[in-house]
Amino acid sequence: DTGVSQDPRHKITKRGQNVTFRCDPISEHNRLYWYRQTLGQGPEFLTYFQNEAQLEKSRLLSDRFSAERPKGSFSTLEIQRTEQGDSAMYLCASSSTSGMYQETQYFGPGTRLLVL
Amino acid sequence: AQSVTQLDSHVSVSEGTPVLLRCNYSSSYSPSLFWYVQHPNKGLQLLLKYTSAATLVKGINGFEAEFKKSETSFHLTKPSAHMSDAAEYFCVPLMDSNYQLIWGAGTKLIIKP
Repeated sequence: DTGVSQDPRHKITKRGQNVTFRCDPISEHNRLYWYRQTLGQGPEFLTYFQNEAQLEKSRLLSDRFSAERPKGSFSTLEIQRTEQGDSAMYLCASSSTSGMYQETQYFGPGTRLLVL
Repeated sequence: AQSVTQLDSHVSVSEGTPVLLRCNYSSSYSPSLFWYVQHPNKGLQLLLKYTSAATLVKGINGFEAEFKKSETSFHLTKPSAHMSDAAEYFCVPLMDSNYQLIWGAGTKLIIKP
């Protein structure tokens, strides 16, 4: 199966620590998205990349959050100085801008973060 | 501006009976529309997608949805519910200006034995 993968699947950290998550998209997809989802809510858009360029970033995203996609393939999302409010599921999705399934986002299994 | 309304936060049906999850959207023109499903503590799985090729769209696991422009609706149906259908369902339009998905709170489907 060559779907979207995310690592780690679960992360427990103490408040104030930094954490980094990784997402590997479907190989031919040029767009990659990060979302955050809290219990009982739909996903909240954080940022997205087309190839290696970060094209949009949510105004809700604080300066403690940063994302990279250095070679246009995998991406990392880093949260610095974590706070308890950062506890959530972090979802990654990828899509293609061409082909039969263009603009269809396929999601990974998510990384569940718990900040103590 | 595009937006979506899922009319029910929870839907409860008995196993073997039909499922109807309602979705209304607002848009100045026909959008691309998706239904995603999320099982507890899992990621989001694409059920089906509407892109104007056909108004009745068949998806996975026996689900289908019909796009009705006159009613601005894209309701999800299944003839016979199965216990494994218990999950959260999201009706999601695609914003044309920047290709972002517009997420609501979803509908939780509960299946009674």
